[in-house]
Amino acid sequence: SQQGEEDPQALSIQEGENATMNCSYKTSINNLQWYRQNSGRGLVHLILIRSNEREKHSGRLRVTLDTSKKSSSLLITASRAADTASYFCATPASGGSYIPTFGRGTSLIVHP
Amino acid sequence: DAGVIQSPRHEVTEMGQEVTLRCKPISGHDYLFWYRQTMMRGLELLIYFNNNVPIDDSGMPEDRFSAKMPNASFSTLKIQPSEPRDSAVYFCASTQGAGTGELFFGEGSRLTVL
Repeated sequence: SQQGEEDPQALSIQEGENATMNCSYKTSINNLQWYRQNSGRGLVHLILIRSNEREKHSGRLRVTLDTSKKSSSLLITASRAADTASYFCATPASGGSYIPTFGRGTSLIVHP
Repeated sequence: DAGVIQSPRHEVTEMGQEVTLRCKPISGHDYLFWYRQTMMRGLELLIYFNNNVPIDDSGMPEDRFSAKMPNASFSTLKIQPSEPRDSAVYFCASTQGAGTGELFFGEGSRLTVL
């Protein structure tokens, strides 16, 4: 069953702006992942954050995790047209599991 | 490594026909997953294997769906008979060990059932 849900469903910004996507989940987790999917392609792993971490960086990506609010955010700084894609959060199917289940994703369009 | 390889990339078939989707995971990965993606339901986990053994098939929608993994380098997802509501993109993914969490996805098989 799906546990995580992304918000907003769609986001449209100009190149150079920052993009923020949020993910909320229902039960306790041991980790949370973010994936990216370009149109017509498979999902690509971006970053994993564990439950004992609050923030993680990878290049222009910044992920935060607030376990008390059961939420995570993905920030893409200085966005580029090539960042246009759908972004998914993945959470374990149950508290002790590592098997990821996915939300419906946020569709990001970055206009050049 | 070539990554996870799926075939066919596109399949168009008539209702009632048998459909077989194929997946070659990354060498050395011991977990293999089948997901289905639709606009309505998003990305659903259908079944996953560990060391070629099916662990959880609770996501398989109906008895019309079956999956096998005869060896570490090959898996199939079969739909028989197919129905229009089975139209979706089917993804295979693999990973090494459940603890890392990171999945490597294939490019998907887009199925259209007329």
